Amino acid sequence: AQSVTQLGSHVSVSEGALVLLRCNYSSSVPPYLFWYVQYPNQGLQLLLKYTSAATLVKGINGFEAEFKKSETSFHLTKPSAHMSDAAEYFCAVSDVSGANSKLTFGKGITLSVRP
Amino acid sequence: ETGVTQTPRHLVMGMTNKKSLKCEQHLGHNAMYWYKQSAKKPLELMFVYSLEERVENNSVPSRFSPECPNSSHLFLHLHTLQPEDSALYLCASSHTGLYGYTFGSGTRLTVV
Repeated sequence: AQSVTQLGSHVSVSEGALVLLRCNYSSSVPPYLFWYVQYPNQGLQLLLKYTSAATLVKGINGFEAEFKKSETSFHLTKPSAHMSDAAEYFCAVSDVSGANSKLTFGKGITLSVRP
Repeated sequence: ETGVTQTPRHLVMGMTNKKSLKCEQHLGHNAMYWYKQSAKKPLELMFVYSLEERVENNSVPSRFSPECPNSSHLFLHLHTLQPEDSALYLCASSHTGLYGYTFGSGTRLTVV
């Protein structure tokens, strides 16, 4: 079975500061990993994904994430936060074993950006 | 526009009403999903359809009834709902799920 842990429910940063959102996963097979963003009353939008190629993955809106197998982590970062980054962020893991692999989501974390 | 379209965007219904949520994708995906997102709770996977067959039903009450007539369309039929069913209902599609899902914008459902 696979799982995702996103510690904490809320992160607050100042505009221009580093954004770091943590994600740890558990998977019995090599994982594919994803970060999604959700703005209020919208669906989830894919930010970036790791699918066993480069361990440092760059996504949209200046976000990136690094897959660290030894730490079972896939933390999301952005060097300089913008007010428009305020949203909810979800980490997800998909196993590669099945014909219809299922995404398992973390509980999400809300990012606030202070002026 | 994400490629997955959900209608209506907002729905208010009484507990005795019958209504349906619609989801449509033209991405060539072969799997479709319904999720429920309630305030302060994790995303709840409700139903999974793969190649138009239901492959997962996560103990969802029978007042929710999914239908997948073809690979591009997914419905969620609702009847005699409860106020606690008020939530954002999200539809998603994927190609086998390996490379992530594409989500619709959701239907905000309020049961009164």
